[in-house]
Amino acid sequence: DGGITQSPKYLFRKEGQNVTLSCEQNLNHDAMYWYRQDPGQGLRLIYYSQIVNDFQKGDIAEGYSVSREKKESFPLTVTSAQKNPTAFYLCASSMFEGTGNQPQHFGDGTRLSIL
Amino acid sequence: KNQVEQSPQSLIILEGKNCTLQCNYTVSPFSNLRWYKQDTGRGPVSLTIMTFSENTKSNGRYTATLDADTKQSSLHITASQLSDSASYICVVRDTGTASKLTFGTGTRLQVTL
Repeated sequence: DGGITQSPKYLFRKEGQNVTLSCEQNLNHDAMYWYRQDPGQGLRLIYYSQIVNDFQKGDIAEGYSVSREKKESFPLTVTSAQKNPTAFYLCASSMFEGTGNQPQHFGDGTRLSIL
Repeated sequence: KNQVEQSPQSLIILEGKNCTLQCNYTVSPFSNLRWYKQDTGRGPVSLTIMTFSENTKSNGRYTATLDADTKQSSLHITASQLSDSASYICVVRDTGTASKLTFGTGTRLQVTL
């Protein structure tokens, strides 16, 4: 079945540690996204990529980094500079076309907590 | 500032009953409006996408309406089932050069026996 796989489902970070969240898709989608979801807030965009080897900052990129070396993969690194990383992280992908009317398909998220 | 507001924040209904969720937005210029269903601990799943010219769109027991003049949308769920218990998120896309999505905070629906 085609879809988006995020791993791990749960992740714990120690102080001063960088952690990497994995996102893989087999939908042959061009665009991929990372969102952060906090209780009582709407999803907020961290980074997005419309093509391999290119990505742009979203609204809350500080303390995060990404790479897009393959079309299928868009890993997110939460660095030690992100002082409040506890959240539910969602990866999404979509076809990239001019109208912007394609839905985003989401993975099942990674819940990151501080030890 | 683009905003999407949803009401009510939460709702409890009996199985088999109908309900309507509301979404008001101030996103401009408007491109499309989406409704997603998010089960607890899972990622959102797309229910409908409506463009400016569409007033109504259905997906099984889910029917979304859009009034682009008043910038309002609703999601009507017919004959609710226990599996409808989830958060329902309204999302609006603008048409700017760095077009992006503005997410509402969701309505949490609980369907009970």
